[in-house]
Amino acid sequence: QKEVEQNSGPLSVPEGAIASLNCTYSDRGSQSFFWYRQYSGKSPELIMSIYSNGDKEDGRFTAQLNKASQYVSLLIRDSQPSDSATYLCAVNERSQGNLIFGKGTKLSVKP
Amino acid sequence: ETGVTQTPRHLVMGMTNKKSLKCEQHLGHNAMYWYKQSAKKPLELMFVYSLEERVENNSVPSRFSPECPNSSHLFLHLHTLQPEDSALYLCASSLKVPRPSGDTEAFFGQGTRLTVV
Repeated sequence: QKEVEQNSGPLSVPEGAIASLNCTYSDRGSQSFFWYRQYSGKSPELIMSIYSNGDKEDGRFTAQLNKASQYVSLLIRDSQPSDSATYLCAVNERSQGNLIFGKGTKLSVKP
Repeated sequence: ETGVTQTPRHLVMGMTNKKSLKCEQHLGHNAMYWYKQSAKKPLELMFVYSLEERVENNSVPSRFSPECPNSSHLFLHLHTLQPEDSALYLCASSLKVPRPSGDTEAFFGQGTRLTVV
């Protein structure tokens, strides 16, 4: 059973701080990793994808991947109240190539 | 507008009803998915149609029946549902590429909020 684990939170950070979201996965052969943001009552929205070890930056977002440790993270710099949402980690499992999602981490950014 | 359109957005149905959910994508993708999202549970993959092949989660009850007439359209036919089937049903699409490359990201529709009474 392929699994993706996330701390469900809630993670609460003050406005302007760095929010750090973590994810581990069980399928060592996975090649593709994604972070989705989901506002309450809405569908998931892709915010970052990462395929290689290391860091990938896009604006205030940085994704970090360590395949040896089977670990992927998302950093949000200068957090804003509008970043308050549930963040879903998704991993492409190798056998069928389908996305497996974690339960999500709820982030709350306090003004 | 994400390029993936789901209808209806909300649906209330009785346990003896038959209804269908519709999904349409205009992204040129070659794979489409049905996910179920229940409260406090991870997104559950129900069905995948990829390159005209169907893959299903064996835990999905037979009262859910998918149909994919072409690469742009996906349906989920519902019959004799139970109250515990009430959830957000999400359609997604992606572009599957040959191994060992990872597949591209999936894009979601707005979802259908289903309530079974």
